[in-house]
Amino acid sequence: EAQVTQNPRYLITVTGKKLTVTCSQNMNHEYMSWYRQDPGLGLRQIYYSMNVEVTDKGDVPEGYKVSRKEKRNFPLILESPSPNQTSLYFCASSYNDRGNTEAFFGQGTRLTVV
Amino acid sequence: QQQVKQSPQSLIVQKGGISIINCAYENTAFDYFPWYQQFPGKGPALLIAIRPDVSEKKEGRFTISFNKSAKQFSLHIMDSQPGDSATYFCAAGGANAGKSTFGDGTTLTVKP
Repeated sequence: EAQVTQNPRYLITVTGKKLTVTCSQNMNHEYMSWYRQDPGLGLRQIYYSMNVEVTDKGDVPEGYKVSRKEKRNFPLILESPSPNQTSLYFCASSYNDRGNTEAFFGQGTRLTVV
Repeated sequence: QQQVKQSPQSLIVQKGGISIINCAYENTAFDYFPWYQQFPGKGPALLIAIRPDVSEKKEGRFTISFNKSAKQFSLHIMDSQPGDSATYFCAAGGANAGKSTFGDGTTLTVKP
């Protein structure tokens, strides 16, 4: 089954404790991205990656890091989480011929930073 | 500067009616326009998408209308059903446009 898998689905952490949200896709997609979704603010892109070792900032990259060492994986790293990073996070992927838009989204990771 | 403007913010339609959601874009480098459907607690799901070389694309009850000169595109849901109640997002992207951009979303409620 074609899918984008995020882990964990739910996470509560404390301010400043480094965390990683993993994302993996099984469709051999070149393009992957991360979004956060907050009430009233829609979907905001954090980072995107056109292919292995190619990443770029989205609209709200501050406080986040990403890496793309393998085609299937695109982890999101919060080096020092803060309460304003409490949000619902989505990973997504697609082929590059779709104009850098997303074809598949993961189920989401609900992060709470206290 | 918001590159994709979506309207309305919310929409209530009777069962069997037509739901229409509109989006307008500014960047002429956009050449791919998808629509997504999101149910509460779920990730967005790609519904239908169009490229600017056609003016309309239909998949089942869902149709995208595209007006290149006006830089506008819209989603029409025919014979709307209560199960269509969800949040709908338009987006725009392009190989030469950098990252994609989403509209703010429309919450659709279809009343039985």
